[in-house]
Amino acid sequence: QKEVEQDPGPLSVPEGAIVSLNCTYSNSAFQYFMWYRQYSRKGPELLMYTYSSGNKEDGRFTAQVDKSSKYISLFIRDSQPSDSATYLCAMLINYGQNFVFGPGTRLSVLP
Amino acid sequence: DTAVSQTPKYLVTQMGNDKSIKCEQNLGHDTMYWYKQDSKKFLKIMFSYNNKELIINETVPNRFSPKSPDKAHLNLHINSLELGDSAVYFCASSPRRDRPNYNEQFFGPGTRLTVL
Repeated sequence: QKEVEQDPGPLSVPEGAIVSLNCTYSNSAFQYFMWYRQYSRKGPELLMYTYSSGNKEDGRFTAQVDKSSKYISLFIRDSQPSDSATYLCAMLINYGQNFVFGPGTRLSVLP
Repeated sequence: DTAVSQTPKYLVTQMGNDKSIKCEQNLGHDTMYWYKQDSKKFLKIMFSYNNKELIINETVPNRFSPKSPDKAHLNLHINSLELGDSAVYFCASSPRRDRPNYNEQFFGPGTRLTVL
């Protein structure tokens, strides 16, 4: 079992849909949970992160962490064609430097 | 201004050659990384340097040798290139671990290496 699992997709949704992207993990020591967006032929860019459990909202994006289930989600409301990208989850233990990434989910938002 | 830059952007070379990729960050970060992203988009850490000191060295062939001349630069030298080395290599940086935002990692644009 990989340390971080993510549905690779591809996921296609119509513009305006609510998108749910998910990751599961096995290491209960992870405390930081990050979401990156990667456009084609570009480097990943950090979208948002959560520390420990809970929710965090930033505009149309909401990140949720459920440590008891070892499950994290990223919700995108009112999805736009510009959201079409690969979304990578990443995790880190406290004071660690070894960022562990999921394999990424490719999202297409169709106009 | 570019925060994390890498050169070259594309690298096409023959098997057996030696090549280098350069990385520079102007964010004042203390920690720098090299990642390899394969054709399935899986991003895997290779090395991490903290203020010129090697911290993480994942299971990577010793043909790969990172070098950090100062904390703003981390270069990757690859000897005797093999077909399986073809991938996109990303450099990244982050603040040091005693900073509250040390988990905020910034990536360069990537170097697409093709070994023929």
